Amino acid sequence: DAMVIQNPRYQVTQFGKPVTLSCSQTLNHNVMYWYQQKSSQAPKLLFHYYDKDFNNEADTPDNFQSRRPNTSFCFLDIRSPGLGDAAMYLCATNEGEIQPQHFGDGTRLSIL
Amino acid sequence: GQNIDQPTEMTATEGAIVQINCTYQTSGFNGLFWYQQHAGEAPTFLSYNVLDGLEEKGRFSSFLSRSKGYSYLLLKELQMKDSASYLCAVMDSNYQLIWGAGTKLIIKP
Repeated sequence: DAMVIQNPRYQVTQFGKPVTLSCSQTLNHNVMYWYQQKSSQAPKLLFHYYDKDFNNEADTPDNFQSRRPNTSFCFLDIRSPGLGDAAMYLCATNEGEIQPQHFGDGTRLSIL
Repeated sequence: GQNIDQPTEMTATEGAIVQINCTYQTSGFNGLFWYQQHAGEAPTFLSYNVLDGLEEKGRFSSFLSRSKGYSYLLLKELQMKDSASYLCAVMDSNYQLIWGAGTKLIIKP
C-alpha cells in the first residue's frame, strides 16, 4: 500500500544531543511537510518542500533543519534539542497545494 | 491575525448525532479540511469543503458557509471508535493550512 512512513515511532535523546527523524513516502507526492504537535495543541508547521524548493516558516527555530535528498525521503534534524522540543513530529505529503495532506504515524520525541 | 475556533471538548452518547462547529478568520480562503486524530496517532483526512453547502460521506457530513466563516462536522450513529479529536483546518491565500487546536469528542455508552 502506498503510504507515508516515519521512523522511529518513538525516539529518546539527551538534552543537547543531535537527533534525526526520517520520513519516506511511496505516494510520489510533490509536497512534503514537517509539523510539530504538542499535547492538545494544533499541529505547527516547521517547513515544507515543493519538490526541491524549501520553505521555512518564519518562527521555526534555527535549531531545526531539514533535508530532502530525493522525492521519497525527507529528514528533520534537531541540532541541540531542548526540553521544549519534546513533542510529536508529523510528516505529511500531498500532490499539490489544494489537496488533502496524508500523514505518517508520527515520531514521539522525548528529551532526557 | 489568523484564527480558527472550535470547542475544546464535547461529550455525546453512542448511537446519537453530534455537531462540531468551527469558525475561522483567515487571510484568504482556499478550502476547509476536517481531520480525525486518535490519541497518540497522526491525523487522518475526513472531508474537504471549498464551496458553500453540505458534503456527505457515509456517517460523516461537513458543511461550509464562506460568508459566515463557519463550518461544522456532523457525525451520525456515533460509535465508541469515534472518540477522538477532530481538527478543523483552513487553507489560506498562500496555500498554507491554518489549524485549529481540535475538539476532543468523548463518546459514552
